[in-house]
Amino acid sequence: GNSVTQMEGPVTLSEEAFLTINCTYTATGYPSLFWYVQYPGEGLQLLLKATKADDKGSNKGFEATYRKETTSFHLEKGSVQVSDSAVYFCALLPYSGAGSYQLTFGKGTKLSVIP
Amino acid sequence: GAVVSQHPSWVICKSGTSVKIECRSLDFQATTMFWYRQFPKQSLMLMATSNEGSKATYEQGVEKDKFLINHASLTLSTLTVTSAHPEDSSFYICSAQTTSIYTGELFFGEGSRLTVL
Repeated sequence: GNSVTQMEGPVTLSEEAFLTINCTYTATGYPSLFWYVQYPGEGLQLLLKATKADDKGSNKGFEATYRKETTSFHLEKGSVQVSDSAVYFCALLPYSGAGSYQLTFGKGTKLSVIP
Repeated sequence: GAVVSQHPSWVICKSGTSVKIECRSLDFQATTMFWYRQFPKQSLMLMATSNEGSKATYEQGVEKDKFLINHASLTLSTLTVTSAHPEDSSFYICSAQTTSIYTGELFFGEGSRLTVL
């Protein structure tokens, strides 16, 4: 079946530090990959996505590259801010000719950025 | 961007009562909505897929008689937790897919935290 594995948190970084949150997946075919972010007290929102191998998704300084050879989609940011403190979810959408929209999520990684 | 709103954000109820949670797409039509449950420190678990005008499709292990889902219009889906018990306490989140060309993007509500006493 499909699965997503994220690094366990919580992750605590100082402001302006470099961030990496690892994400690997198991799926058949060519899934689309996503990172969602959940700020305190809010719902999830899409951060970035990649739909095919070697695609790089980027948004708000975050980026992730779809690596089929390593089945990974690691999230990176060069310089984190306090406002980036949130829970980050890696997710997979398996390819389906019928148009399946059922995402499989990782467990989430809580990031805390301290001034 | 597309907005999905859930109501209520917080609800506390007594054991044995029923609670209804609404999920509305405010500025787009959603033929498909999804209901998730999030346990503390765990990921989102898909409960059911709701298509407008038809019965919801429940994931394995989810009791359809306990978690009633209705998707009566293109902008509203409701989840009713019937005869709630303390183990039903959780964070429930809905998401919606637009009717436009599939982009793989889902829009999520803010979530509803249910506490059953």
